[in-house]
Amino acid sequence: GEDVEQSLFLSVREGDSSVINCTYTDSSSTYLYWYKQEPGAGLQLLTYIFSNMDMKQDQRLTVLLNKKDKHLSLRIADTQTGDSAIYFCAASGSARQLTFGSGTQLTVLP
Amino acid sequence: NAGVTQTPKFQVLKTGQSMTLQCAQDMNHNSMYWYRQDPGMGLRLIYYSASEGTTDKGEVPNGYNVSRLNKREFSLRLESAAPSQTSVYFCASRVVSAGDYEQYFGPGTRLTVT
Repeated sequence: GEDVEQSLFLSVREGDSSVINCTYTDSSSTYLYWYKQEPGAGLQLLTYIFSNMDMKQDQRLTVLLNKKDKHLSLRIADTQTGDSAIYFCAASGSARQLTFGSGTQLTVLP
Repeated sequence: NAGVTQTPKFQVLKTGQSMTLQCAQDMNHNSMYWYRQDPGMGLRLIYYSASEGTTDKGEVPNGYNVSRLNKREFSLRLESAAPSQTSVYFCASRVVSAGDYEQYFGPGTRLTVT
């Protein structure tokens, strides 16, 4: 089945850019998602990209997709303390279910 | 719209006790899901229901049962709780449309089994 990998931790300074990386294994994944989880809360969809796109920009968020390498990244520009959270990458895969990565804990330092 | 709601928010059980986690959605979604979240392991799918009247096992179904009571409600039952089932449980739902797999999540139930 689909396997989705992310690094567990990332620390950045307030105002810097954050880049969270994700790799997936199923080349038939048609949609790739980024979810955000704040402490004590459920997951909220941040953005998604369709597999025929290379890039998607949404305000401070930029998603890059390298389909050949099955690599997805989420860039957050001008990172703020309110961006501190766990970020999950998810891929749709051939099973028509979402497979989630283990999540990246983003810590924004003042 | 309330979206996806879950009850209870917190629960402590003793080993061997049983309980049912409730989930409801008011978005008229076809599919519903139960996940568990453990530190460093992301979300793992326990069971899902692609449509009313159907349920299927996910990645980690052992020790759980589910009921899709109607289109709105999907419950998860632990018949004999074990410490290994200490986790945060999330319910999710999605509308079935061509190619779009976005799921909407509830706030979670934090379960501790002692």
